Amino acid sequence: KNEVEQSPQNLTAQEGEFITINCSYSVGISALHWLQQHPGGGIVSLFMLSSGKKKHGRLIATINIQEKHSSLHITASHPRDSAVYICAVTKVGGNQFYFGTGTSLTVIP
Amino acid sequence: GAVVSQHPSRVICKSGTSVKIECRSLDFQATTMFWYRQFPKQSLMLMATSNEGSKATYEQGVEKDKFLINHASLTLSTLTVTSAHPEDSSFYICSAGKRERGTDTQYFGPGTRLTVL
Repeated sequence: KNEVEQSPQNLTAQEGEFITINCSYSVGISALHWLQQHPGGGIVSLFMLSSGKKKHGRLIATINIQEKHSSLHITASHPRDSAVYICAVTKVGGNQFYFGTGTSLTVIP
Repeated sequence: GAVVSQHPSRVICKSGTSVKIECRSLDFQATTMFWYRQFPKQSLMLMATSNEGSKATYEQGVEKDKFLINHASLTLSTLTVTSAHPEDSSFYICSAGKRERGTDTQYFGPGTRLTVL
C-alpha cells in the first residue's frame, strides 16, 4: 500500500465549481506539499504545510495532523486550473519526497 | 524566489549516444539535488539523490553506470544518460533541495523530454 494516497484520481468540473482534492498518508511527516504539474511537464510548488491552513488566491490547503489527512480546495475553478495536482510528504528527519499518484483535473468552460 | 532551470528542455538522439542534462538552482544554493524520471500518466520516480561534492545515492533498480550523476557545485548537478537506448526515452525532472522555516522542501526544474531513436 502506498504511503501517500490521493483521491480522486481524475476529476472533471465545470468552470466556477468548488473543487476538493484529498490526500491521506500513513507515516510521520515533517511537512506535506501540494504540487501542480501542467501539461507541459513543469512542476510548481503550491503549498508546504505542517499544520493548519494556508490560502493563496483561489487555492486553500488544509491539514489535520491527527487524522493524517490534507485537502486542497480550489474556489471558482477556471480552465487554466486544469493540471495534475500531486500531494507529497517529507518524513521526519528526511528530505526525500514521497508522492501520491496525482489527481488529474480538467475544468470545462 | 527559488528558481531551478534545466537544460535542454527537449533532446532527440540516436541509440548508443550519450546525453547530458543540466540542472541549476539559479537563486539559491542547493546542497542536495534530486533526479526523477516520469512515464506518461504516472507519478515521479526518484532515480537518485546527489549531494554536492560526494557520490550520488541511487534508488534500487537504477543503474549507476548508465545514469551518471555529478554534483560539482552548490548550484549545478548533471545527469548523463550513457549509451542511450529507446527504452530510456522518458521525461526527466530534477529538483533542488532547500531548507525553509526549518523544513526541507524541493523546487523543481521544468523537465527534459528525452527521445532516443
